[in-house]
Amino acid sequence: ETGVTQTPRHLVMGMTNKKSLKCEQHLGHNAMYWYKQSAKKPLELMFVYNFKEQTENNSVPSRFSPECPNSSHLFLHLHTLQPEDSALYLCASSAREAFFGQGTRLTVV
Amino acid sequence: KQEVTQIPAALSVPEGENLVLNCSFTDSAIYNLQWFRQDPGKGLTSLLLIQSSQREQTSGRLNASLDKSSGRSTLYIAASQPGDSATYLCAALEGGDNAGNMLTFGGGTRLMVKP
Repeated sequence: ETGVTQTPRHLVMGMTNKKSLKCEQHLGHNAMYWYKQSAKKPLELMFVYNFKEQTENNSVPSRFSPECPNSSHLFLHLHTLQPEDSALYLCASSAREAFFGQGTRLTVV
Repeated sequence: KQEVTQIPAALSVPEGENLVLNCSFTDSAIYNLQWFRQDPGKGLTSLLLIQSSQREQTSGRLNASLDKSSGRSTLYIAASQPGDSATYLCAALEGGDNAGNMLTFGGGTRLMVKP
């Protein structure tokens, strides 16, 4: 248990669906991150939030929409995804140290 | 912009060998350097964290060193075991407590330890 919780752990969605991934931490961290990891590929940074403000958007398509309502919660809203978006989505938070959630395994059909 | 590189990308060794994984970073103004382990399809587990003021950290058979001036960190694994097989990632954290953070990862080293 790292203190970073992601839900759901697994998600299957159609290309026309709208779904959201949730990340929660109560470590008092002010930075939160979304990463994407496709099969056998390195981690890809998607978004970074510091003090609830987005500080990094790594050229992510608009079908991925992040939301950070407070320093403890981070969402990734998904809309009209493509099969190539199937991947492991990891959330992390940091202050003096970084911790990761267990990830959401997303399959787009 | 910080860039982190890990060499080698993959490594296969027989059980019992001592091995060294390398990590280099371009901007030495880091807050800390963290090593993670990732098993296939899983999240990342933190192994060791070295603060920017420290030179090394040890945990069991693992030892990590940091040389900020040269932009390098190494992870030393002693007496490797098949259970050590995983992908090892290093990450440089900029900012730190009460400051804007940015965490930059290397591409990882995929380690296989053969029985």
